[in-house]
Amino acid sequence: DAGVTQSPTHLIKTRGQQVTLRCSPKSGHDTVSWYQQALGQGPQFIFQYYEEEERQRGNFPDRFSGHQFPNYSSELNVNALLLGDSALYLCASSLVISSYNEQFFGPGTRLTVL
Amino acid sequence: AQSVTQLDSHVSVSEGTPVLLRCNYSSSYSPSLFWYVQHPNKGLQLLLKYTSAATLVKGINGFEAEFKKSETSFHLTKPSAHMSDAAEYFCVVSNYNNNDMRFGAGTRLTVKP
Repeated sequence: DAGVTQSPTHLIKTRGQQVTLRCSPKSGHDTVSWYQQALGQGPQFIFQYYEEEERQRGNFPDRFSGHQFPNYSSELNVNALLLGDSALYLCASSLVISSYNEQFFGPGTRLTVL
Repeated sequence: AQSVTQLDSHVSVSEGTPVLLRCNYSSSYSPSLFWYVQHPNKGLQLLLKYTSAATLVKGINGFEAEFKKSETSFHLTKPSAHMSDAAEYFCVVSNYNNNDMRFGAGTRLTVKP
């Protein structure tokens, strides 16, 4: 079992550019959540996808968008990058069928915006 | 709304001594509570979770936490620290469906030889 995988591991962009981050969930999982972890802070919930639809969203602007594919993998897109978007972006997967499910986290994508 | 406050940003202990990482929560309904650990360059790993069953929760690697509703606390403890316990620890509160998990700011645990 490969667990949750994310790509790329590191990314450098400049202000105003757009970026796409990718996540493959743990085998058997159908729900993907994305988090932003700024340096020295705890992760902040961006949004969660289930059945290819955004199920819940945190307090992030519309510049942050996502997608879930039929195979449950997911993408996070960020448009018009700002310096403040520099962070570790974490993907977590879980199984929606039962409550209190553990979310399994990937190693993250480190995004640097210059 | 729900939130957690981790009362210490940094805790330093000697190997073999007890560990206490403190967490207070705020929630308008019966919460789920978790502790996650993050080692450098590794993903977050679940240590333990409270989901309205037993108030004393045992997790992996000898960690445990006690849910105290009257004190709105969920402190993490371990009787004897190992060097491998050095990491960042996050307390998390969530709603029933776990689609709105709120992380604390984290506590960095240092273990001295």
